[in-house]
Amino acid sequence: EPEVTQTPSHQVTQMGQEVILRCVPISNHLYFYWYRQILGQKVEFLVSFYNNEISEKSEIFDDQFSVERPDGSNFTLKIRSTKLEDSAMYFCASTQWRSNTDTQYFGPGTRLTVL
Amino acid sequence: TQLLEQSPQFLSIQEGENLTVYCNSSSVFSSLQWYRQEPGEGPVLLVTVVTGGEVKKLKRLTFQFGDARKDSSLHITAAQPGDTGLYLCAGSPTGAGSYQLTFGKGTKLSVIP
Repeated sequence: EPEVTQTPSHQVTQMGQEVILRCVPISNHLYFYWYRQILGQKVEFLVSFYNNEISEKSEIFDDQFSVERPDGSNFTLKIRSTKLEDSAMYFCASTQWRSNTDTQYFGPGTRLTVL
Repeated sequence: TQLLEQSPQFLSIQEGENLTVYCNSSSVFSSLQWYRQEPGEGPVLLVTVVTGGEVKKLKRLTFQFGDARKDSSLHITAAQPGDTGLYLCAGSPTGAGSYQLTFGKGTKLSVIP
């Protein structure tokens, strides 16, 4: 069964460093999302992406964040200058269609630890 | 902002018992999705409900979407230790142009053998 994959599974970085989190969405999916989950808290939406453009973003997704689809398969989330409070699990998700009733399939996540 | 409240937050039951967890909101959702999440892993989809009043069954799990599409429930019959985990509901809002999922905080289920 097709699945969303993410790398790395765990990233440790120093405060102020740049990190890039990578995702490979399901191959025939066209809409991509990033969510994060701070330890013990609920999953929160960050951004959605379609046709090489951001479709929606939340208040969390400030100028320190950016997304890109550098080739036909990868979808990346970059944090330019990490802060301690960026420590969280980051999940990528994808859907085939842009519909409120379409299911979002999640990857296994990247655990980001900022020291 | 659309919020989803899940209850109970924690539930510990004996193997073989039945249980129901709830997902409630004051907002209307186009669809609701139930996920199960294991520690350190991503949410794994269990079911999507779309139509008000819809009932879906997945083996011993029964999911219902409220008639007004503001709430949902998950009922587990004869719980097994393998059902232990965090159950999340997530809603997709109504209205054009927004497809982000709003998640509840989850119900942490522990089934004791």
